[in-house]
Amino acid sequence: DSGVTQTPKHLITATGQRVTLRCSPRSGDLSVYWYQQSLDQGLQFLIQYYNGEERAKGNILERFSAQQFPDLHSELNLSSLELGDSALYFCASSPRGGTPGNTIYFGEGSWLTVV
Amino acid sequence: AQSVTQLDSHVSVSEGTPVLLRCNYSSSYSPSLFWYVQHPNKGLQLLLKYTSAATLVKGINGFEAEFKKSETSFHLTKPSAHMSDAAEYFCVVRGAGGTSYGKLTFGQGTILTVHP
Repeated sequence: DSGVTQTPKHLITATGQRVTLRCSPRSGDLSVYWYQQSLDQGLQFLIQYYNGEERAKGNILERFSAQQFPDLHSELNLSSLELGDSALYFCASSPRGGTPGNTIYFGEGSWLTVV
Repeated sequence: AQSVTQLDSHVSVSEGTPVLLRCNYSSSYSPSLFWYVQHPNKGLQLLLKYTSAATLVKGINGFEAEFKKSETSFHLTKPSAHMSDAAEYFCVVRGAGGTSYGKLTFGQGTILTVHP
């Protein structure tokens, strides 16, 4: 158990809909990362938050947004869903912003299926 | 810029035989390197990490990796495979400078199959 908690574990929704994925980082970790894992793209970095502020942005679509709240949990909002958005979405956390030696701990992921 | 190449998409071994999963990296600075394992329907679990200390790194479950700067490699090994090692393994580089500072770059993954 990494200490990173993601909900829901599985989600099935229709095209055009909007969903919210939730992440609770390890206790004391200030950074939260979101990744998307799909069969054709592999693991793709979406976005990072550090202590409530956006720190880095990766290949995140404009239809997607995220935020980190004062209690450090984070939400990833996916809207106008398309079939291609079906993937496993990982949340990860680390103690600080981007210190290279810091380990990043991953949650078990949220499986999103868009039908 | 940085990149990671896992040289084998699939590796198949028999139980009790050695495991070698190959990883080459490219980075403008001395990066940190990690191996993660993902079991089916599970999250990514850290196996081991290299952060510029000893070049031979020991991880969990009997895995080791050796950082070879001259070869820009970070291959993962285990002397004797166990059935429970069957999973997908990711080599990851974390940048230490420039525009890649702190950024994680994942390899495409190697699926390890262990036969009885």
